[in-house]
Amino acid sequence: QKEVEQNSGPLSVPEGAIASLNCTYSDRGSQSFFWYRQYSGKSPELIMSIYSNGDKEDGRFTAQLNKASQYVSLLIRDSQPSDSATYLCAVMGARYGNKLVFGAGTILRVKS
Amino acid sequence: DTGVSQDPRHKITKRGQNVTFRCDPISEHNRLYWYRQTLGQGPEFLTYFQNEAQLEKSRLLSDRFSAERPKGSFSTLEIQRTEQGDSAMYLCASSSGQGGNTIYFGEGSWLTVV
Repeated sequence: QKEVEQNSGPLSVPEGAIASLNCTYSDRGSQSFFWYRQYSGKSPELIMSIYSNGDKEDGRFTAQLNKASQYVSLLIRDSQPSDSATYLCAVMGARYGNKLVFGAGTILRVKS
Repeated sequence: DTGVSQDPRHKITKRGQNVTFRCDPISEHNRLYWYRQTLGQGPEFLTYFQNEAQLEKSRLLSDRFSAERPKGSFSTLEIQRTEQGDSAMYLCASSSGQGGNTIYFGEGSWLTVV
């Protein structure tokens, strides 16, 4: 079992729709959760961080965390073609020390 | 506040040659990380420093890889006797270690071993 699992996609959504990206993690003691966006050929760019159960909103992005079910999700409202990228879920916790453990990423395609 | 800076951005080398990458973290960030990423995969942890001390090194990292952060500021990652399997993007990242320990990545250094 991988430490952090994501559906590789691609996830295709029409412009203006809500894109929903999901991530599950194996270590119940994980404490910090991050979403990074990565355009093709570029490095990961931090979008959101979340540390407690519930929702956290930032502009068109909402991160959702459910520690009991060990999943974290990212919702992108009013999706734009410029949102087309790979979205990486990353986890930090006691088992991993002070480093991030990444999933393989989900490819998102927003069609105009 | 300037971001994490990496150099060179692209490197093509022949198999068996040594290569070195440099990373300048965000100023006053005491934690510095090296990751490697290949196509279709998420970044894979290589090693990390707190100030000048190398606190963790991945068990997957072969002896051909070495990293230093001599004065707790910039860091270098050297790969000796490169192999074609070393071709990847090498990512440097830094964090302050405070407030959730958010980690910021540099633009990456692409290595192609031919």
